[in-house]
Amino acid sequence: GAVVSQHPSWVICKSGTSVKIECRSLDFQATTMFWYRQFPKQSLMLMATSNEGSKATYEQGVEKDKFLINHASLTLSTLTVTSAHPEDSSFYICSARVSGGIQETQYFGPGTRLLVL
Amino acid sequence: SQQGEEDPQALSIQEGENATMNCSYKTSINNLQWYRQNSGRGLVHLILIRSNEREKHSGRLRVTLDTSKKSSSLLITASRAADTASYFCATVLRGSARQLTFGSGTQLTVLP
Repeated sequence: GAVVSQHPSWVICKSGTSVKIECRSLDFQATTMFWYRQFPKQSLMLMATSNEGSKATYEQGVEKDKFLINHASLTLSTLTVTSAHPEDSSFYICSARVSGGIQETQYFGPGTRLLVL
Repeated sequence: SQQGEEDPQALSIQEGENATMNCSYKTSINNLQWYRQNSGRGLVHLILIRSNEREKHSGRLRVTLDTSKKSSSLLITASRAADTASYFCATVLRGSARQLTFGSGTQLTVLP
């Protein structure tokens, strides 16, 4: 089946630093990838939709200058949390949708836990 | 914003019993999907039901969809301790860019 990986799986950083999270589709091409944030005991909230070769589409309330998304290839999207603060501590999950066809299933990565001190 | 509300928020049952989780949503959908999440892990896709379908089965899973009531249910039969996880419904809204909007989730605990 389709596999999506994320790296790193967890990161601890100091307040004010930037953190980059990678999301890769390992055995398929993904024109579209999605980034979600999940706080403890809560549901997933969509942050942005990442489209290969074009600008990401951000959800209302998500700062595009703080959460930089780059989708440079059909198998890689990156999320950079710039100048991270403790309130950015969360579980970040990406998902990828298979390019082409009528596939409607999204395949999720294992998540990245970010702790900002 | 969240589209769906799920109930119960938490469910604890004995191994072998059936578990039923419900999901309600607000606007017209293209399809509804159920996902499972083990603690601190990513999501696993369980089943997808389209808006023109009423019931679907996959192994021990049975999903129903009532578009008139804007609700869906997930039934897990003969539950096992390994079924302990959080379960989320997610909708793809009609006319949307096929983004998923997740419900609030149900934490299922199956006691051995």
